Amino acid sequence: RKEVEQDPGPFNVPEGATVAFNCTYSNSASQSFFWYRQDCRKEPKLLMSVYSSGNEDGRFTAQLNRASQYISLLIRDSKLSDSATYLCVVPFSGGYNKLIFGAGTRLAVHP
Amino acid sequence: EAGVTQFPSHSVIEKGQTVTLRCDPISGHDNLYWYRRVMGKEIKFLLHFVKESKQDESGMPNNRFLAERTGGTYSTLKVQPAELEDSGVYFCASATGSGTGELFFGEGSRLTVL
Repeated sequence: RKEVEQDPGPFNVPEGATVAFNCTYSNSASQSFFWYRQDCRKEPKLLMSVYSSGNEDGRFTAQLNRASQYISLLIRDSKLSDSATYLCVVPFSGGYNKLIFGAGTRLAVHP
Repeated sequence: EAGVTQFPSHSVIEKGQTVTLRCDPISGHDNLYWYRRVMGKEIKFLLHFVKESKQDESGMPNNRFLAERTGGTYSTLKVQPAELEDSGVYFCASATGSGTGELFFGEGSRLTVL
């Protein structure tokens, strides 16, 4: 089993739609989680951090279910500019900055 | 403020040749990381510097890879000799010591080994 597994993509949605991605992780001791966003042929950039049950930032909501070991990312009112690959990221045990990346879920928002 | 810069952006070499990738982290960031994404796979950790010291190099694939960070500023990653399976995108990232999980990545150096 992979340490971090994500929904396979791509997700093709119209503008204004709500879309959700799931991510499961194998290390039950993990305390913090991250969603990074990566545009085509660009670098990953931190989108959201999740330290407790969840986090909300505008149209983006991240939720954590420790019992089931999964994290979700919800995007409401999708914009064309949301098209990107979303990476679920979990730190190695004992190190916040040594990160384990999921393979990513690609989102394509169309007019 | 300048971000993390990497050079070259793309390198095409033949199997058996040597390539050196360079990373300039954000000024003041003591922590510097190298990650790699090979075709169709996840981004994977290679190693971590704190200033000039290697903190963790557990992700380095083999002894054909050598990373240095002389003086605790920029870093280089040398692959010698390069093999076909080394092709991929090599990302450098830097961070402060606060351990927030936010790494600032460079745009990556794409390596193609023919």
